Amino acid sequence: QKEVEQNSGPLSVPEGAIASLNCTYSDRGSQSFFWYRQYSGKSPELIMFIYSNGDKEDGRFTAQLNKASQYVSLLIRDSQPSDSATYLCAVRGSARQLTFGSGTQLTVLP
Amino acid sequence: DAGVIQSPRHEVTEMGQEVTLRCKPISGHNSLFWYRQTMMRGLELLIYFNNNVPIDDSGMPEDRFSAKMPNASFSTLKIQPSEPRDSAVYFCASSGGSPPYEQYFGPGTRLTVT
Repeated sequence: QKEVEQNSGPLSVPEGAIASLNCTYSDRGSQSFFWYRQYSGKSPELIMFIYSNGDKEDGRFTAQLNKASQYVSLLIRDSQPSDSATYLCAVRGSARQLTFGSGTQLTVLP
Repeated sequence: DAGVIQSPRHEVTEMGQEVTLRCKPISGHNSLFWYRQTMMRGLELLIYFNNNVPIDDSGMPEDRFSAKMPNASFSTLKIQPSEPRDSAVYFCASSGGSPPYEQYFGPGTRLTVT
């Protein structure tokens, strides 16, 4: 059973719109939650992490966490074509390793 | 600051040959992770080390795969003998010693076994 689920997409949004990426996880003991961005042919790049319920904002990015619903999301405001990439959700339990979702492919249309 | 360093960046080899992938973690990080990424299976954790000690190798596919971390600044992932199904991108990542233990990835090694 997959422990971290993401819609694979592809998700297309027009330039300037808000892109919403969603992730659910199965382990209620999960402690930290991460969003990575991966451009084609490149390695995953950490965008932001969150570990408390609520919202965390960093520039155009907002991560949202709801532990009761086991749900984490990433909002990208004022989407740019350069945001087109695959976004990976990752979850950490009590140990050091991360469990990754399969990723959502985002395309921002000019 | 230097990030995670991996070598080689690309490796093409014939089935049956030994392949060695190398990784240098970020200085000061005490955890190191080896991943494999394919289109079919996504990003899979193969093994991770904490303070140079292997902690979880349950993701290592089979005995043909082995990993070592002789010191805090160097790790290897070896495949012997290699098979075409081992073709993938192999990433190394490292993390520091305090929560949330975020991981930083190297550029990866693209392995092709013919």
